[in-house]
Amino acid sequence: DAGITQSPRYKITETGRQVTLMCHQTWSHSYMFWYRQDLGHGLRLIYYSAAADITDKGEVPDGYVVSRSKTENFPLTLESATRSQTSVYFCASSTYSNQPQHFGDGTRLSIL
Amino acid sequence: GNSVTQMEGPVTLSEEAFLTINCTYTATGYPSLFWYVQYPGEGLQLLLKATKADDKGSNKGFEATYRKETTSFHLEKGSVQVSDSAVYFCALYSGGGADGLTFGKGTHLIIQP
Repeated sequence: DAGITQSPRYKITETGRQVTLMCHQTWSHSYMFWYRQDLGHGLRLIYYSAAADITDKGEVPDGYVVSRSKTENFPLTLESATRSQTSVYFCASSTYSNQPQHFGDGTRLSIL
Repeated sequence: GNSVTQMEGPVTLSEEAFLTINCTYTATGYPSLFWYVQYPGEGLQLLLKATKADDKGSNKGFEATYRKETTSFHLEKGSVQVSDSAVYFCALYSGGGADGLTFGKGTHLIIQP
């Protein structure tokens, strides 16, 4: 089925560990985004990508790394997880930057 | 920079009541405005959008009008249902910087039968 899928849906890890969140979309959308959702903050942009091999920082990029070697995939890596990175992470995609974004179901990440 | 302000709630209404969720924004240029809805355990879904002043977005009985003079995009529905219980996010896109959306903090809506 066409859509945007995130994996895993739930993840528990420890501080200092590396963890990668996966995002895959089947629409061939040019733009992909990573947001984190925290109580009292709404959603905040971490990184985005305008096309394969083009990525840029959002509002809260520190501690995160992204790559986009293929149009359909946009993984987010926490190289050394910290407790402050406990959050729900959403991936989204769109045809152009000013068009509505389509969201995955999220990954709930807990860092102990 | 860009910002979106909306009531956080929770907002509790009875079924068939009239709904208004206020949203005001600060942005450079002429932003596009969106309302998204999030049901428990799910991602955000686009509810409606407006791309220029005086545009009215509508979907599933919800409406919002882009008011440039008051920098507002209030969400309204004439008669809410229990199934409308969710978190509603107002968002904007204005370009000229990071290409993502700027979101409000979300309004938790609870409809009681």
